[in-house]
Amino acid sequence: AQTVTQSQPEMSVQEAETVTLSCTYDTSESDYYLFWYKQPPSRQMILVIRQEAYKQQNATENRFSVNFQKAAKSFSLKISDSQLGDAAMYFCAYRTNTGTASKLTFGTGTRLQVTL
Amino acid sequence: GAVVSQHPSRVICKSGTSVKIECRSLDFQATTMFWYRQFPKQSLMLMATSNEGSKATYEQGVEKDKFLINHASLTLSTLTVTSAHPEDSSFYICSARRYHSSTDTQYFGPGTRLTVL
Repeated sequence: AQTVTQSQPEMSVQEAETVTLSCTYDTSESDYYLFWYKQPPSRQMILVIRQEAYKQQNATENRFSVNFQKAAKSFSLKISDSQLGDAAMYFCAYRTNTGTASKLTFGTGTRLQVTL
Repeated sequence: GAVVSQHPSRVICKSGTSVKIECRSLDFQATTMFWYRQFPKQSLMLMATSNEGSKATYEQGVEKDKFLINHASLTLSTLTVTSAHPEDSSFYICSARRYHSSTDTQYFGPGTRLTVL
């Protein structure tokens, strides 16, 4: 079974600075997807960014980018120019691309605080 | 964007009663939806996968007779918590799978907070 580990329960960053959230995973598969979801205080899960394992290029969405290291099974999220609205729980998630299964396996989450 | 709604957003019920939660994909069709449970300050735990036109697939340890799932159409899945007890109090979140040639992503509803007295 796949597992997803987020080793940082809490992180803090100053507004306009850059922060990196770490995520590692364990799998024997070669074809899969990785995601970062954001859960603000409203508790609405919001997709931040996704990465296909077969793509070597790191995904980027505006101020959000990932560092995908397939051999190391690492998938970190970098938030640049942090804003107060970035404060939330961030969950890393894994999904197989084998067969018809499409369920997500989530990490335990990292709570990000953004300070002035 | 892909929008998923849940209704109700909050529900309080008495112990022993049943509660139905609806999950709708508003602007896309979803043959697969998922139901999660989230305890305070914890991650999402998958309860079951809801498949349109067929039986739901439950995760290990989830009682299928307690958590009834019906995927009546391509845009609606319902979760019924039967004979609810205080330990069923939790935050329930659904997601809908949006799949086509270039993407395969889950989009989440806003969640339902269930309180059983």
